[in-house]
Amino acid sequence: EADIYQTPRYLVIGTGKKITLECSQTMGHDKMYWYQQDPGMELHLIHYSYGVNSTEKGDLSSESTVSRIRTEHFPLTLESARPSHTSQYLCASSHPGMNTEAFFGQGTRLTVV
Amino acid sequence: DAKTTQPPSMDCAEGRAANLPCNHSTISGNEYVYWYRQIHSQGPQYIIHGLKNNETNEMASLIITEDRKSSTLILPHATLRDTAVYYCIVRDNYGQNFVFGPGTRLSVLP
Repeated sequence: EADIYQTPRYLVIGTGKKITLECSQTMGHDKMYWYQQDPGMELHLIHYSYGVNSTEKGDLSSESTVSRIRTEHFPLTLESARPSHTSQYLCASSHPGMNTEAFFGQGTRLTVV
Repeated sequence: DAKTTQPPSMDCAEGRAANLPCNHSTISGNEYVYWYRQIHSQGPQYIIHGLKNNETNEMASLIITEDRKSSTLILPHATLRDTAVYYCIVRDNYGQNFVFGPGTRLSVLP
């Protein structure tokens, strides 16, 4: 069992609201990732972090922002949610290096109405 | 962009071995091949990874060709619970990130 947790699992929210998706891991991993996945589609990397105070944009442009103040915590924020943000958001973490696997959380399914 | 090519779908009879191929012809010398699977819309589950030697764990075996341009994931005795989308990933050297492609949708049939 991977020790990486995402909350909430499901969220329905109105347009224009600010939301924060939480992701925490207890494995001491420096590297963390956020992916976005629409139903039936592939995962797209939207943000990643090498460690505390490090944040990088991924391959898919996203209006969300992330922060990394603590090693174990990598929250994702949408300042003003829109229906186009409706998707599943998956968080993952790994040790640095090429020979280390990543572990994924169960995801947050976001619906913006 | 994903650096791998996989068939979009495959079927396998329950109890038989499932052999999932992956092409990664542009792989570099120090890049590892990883396999994950995703059941329904749950978070992807790590299966196995390797560099150039064949690897085996409790879930699967990974066979990598000598030139490292392709690999095969083997589930030795597929069960209905192995029905999932299987992703073959070569981590990029720059950000060392996991870049997912469309994967192979494996259906295990009773």
